[in-house]
Amino acid sequence: AQSVSQHNHHVILSEAASLELGCNYSYGGTVNLFWYVQYPGQHLQLLLKYFSGDPLVKGIKGFEAEFIKSKFSFNLRKPSVQWSDTAEYFCAVKGPGGTSYGKLTFGQGTILTVHP
Amino acid sequence: DAMVIQNPRYQVTQFGKPVTLSCSQTLNHNVMYWYQQKSSQAPKLLFHYYDKDFNNEADTPDNFQSRRPNTSFCFLDIRSPGLGDAAMYLCATSEPGTGGTEQYFGPGTRLTVT
Repeated sequence: AQSVSQHNHHVILSEAASLELGCNYSYGGTVNLFWYVQYPGQHLQLLLKYFSGDPLVKGIKGFEAEFIKSKFSFNLRKPSVQWSDTAEYFCAVKGPGGTSYGKLTFGQGTILTVHP
Repeated sequence: DAMVIQNPRYQVTQFGKPVTLSCSQTLNHNVMYWYQQKSSQAPKLLFHYYDKDFNNEADTPDNFQSRRPNTSFCFLDIRSPGLGDAAMYLCATSEPGTGGTEQYFGPGTRLTVT
């Protein structure tokens, strides 16, 4: 079965620390990759996406992610986190084949807590 | 602002009592999705509509049904809720496009079954 794995359930950082959240998926072939963020009390929002082209993608609020096809990975990074980055982060994959729309398979989510 | 709206945000129902959750969108997207997210778990797709075409996930229980009367609205019906159906239900939309598309999510409805 298709799966997405996020390595950390809960990450605690101090402001200005660097962040890397791991994400691995189990598909072969062409995939669409996403990171969504859910701030406390808010809905899931797209942070960044990868469809094709440059494997290093930049998103909102200074986040970036790198697609490494050989490792089936799409890790999220930010050089310097802020207290306002406290949220839950979900990696999601749209599997290969078929249409441009369709099922997203989500990872379990990583809760990021940033202390001032 | 264009958005995905879910009503109600919180719903309490009794064991076995049918319940309907509502989703509307102002994005005019062709595709609408319903996900179930249980506590500390990943969102899991239940089904989606491409326009009027309904697509059920293979492991979605028969207890869950959906209706899409028009482009803007989509409903999730749970015919006989069990305690295990308590979860956050997320509605999302997307518009098919070349290369790939993203999904836009509503705030969710948290369902409690008593």
